[in-house]
Amino acid sequence: AQSVTQLGSHVSVSEGALVLLRCNYSSSVPPYLFWYVQYPNQGLQLLLKYTSAATLVKGINGFEAEFKKSETSFHLTKPSAHMSDAAEYFCAVSSMDTGRRALTFGSGTRLQVQP
Amino acid sequence: EAGVTQSPTHLIKTRGQQATLRCSPISGHTSVYWYQQALGLGLQFLLWYDEGEERNRGNFPPRFSGRQFPNYSSELNVNALELEDSALYLCASSLVLAGTDTQYFGPGTRLTVL
Repeated sequence: AQSVTQLGSHVSVSEGALVLLRCNYSSSVPPYLFWYVQYPNQGLQLLLKYTSAATLVKGINGFEAEFKKSETSFHLTKPSAHMSDAAEYFCAVSSMDTGRRALTFGSGTRLQVQP
Repeated sequence: EAGVTQSPTHLIKTRGQQATLRCSPISGHTSVYWYQQALGLGLQFLLWYDEGEERNRGNFPPRFSGRQFPNYSSELNVNALELEDSALYLCASSLVLAGTDTQYFGPGTRLTVL
């Protein structure tokens, strides 16, 4: 079985400050990990993904995430927050065991960016 | 390249009715996934179709069903609607290649059950 835990349902940062959104996963086999962003009344947009290549993954809009197997973590960071980053962020895990390709999502973190 | 499209955008039904939601995948993608995003319950996997077959199913009752057509588009049917079925239903598509499976999502259908 696989699971995802996102620490902090709400995170507030000032514009220009570092963004850090935390994600820990549990998977019995090497996982594929994803970060998605959801703007109000919209679907999910893929930010970045880890599929067992480089452990530091760069995504769109200046976001990046580092896969740390020893810590079972895949935290999302951005050096400088922008007002347009305000949205809900979801971490997800997918494992290929038994052909179960469904994504398991964390509960989401709502990011607020203060001017 | 067009993304995943879903229709309708909004759907209002009453308890006991049936709802049909539609999804067109990205051109070339053969897999379609359905997820439910209900208030307070987060994103939950519903169904996975690939090459016209149901491949996997989440923990939902049988009144949630669907199909995938030869052109890889998909339909989600929800029978005997209940109030708690009110949610955003998201469709995703992917092209399953060895070692990778990245899902791209559509904008969703907002289902309201009155």
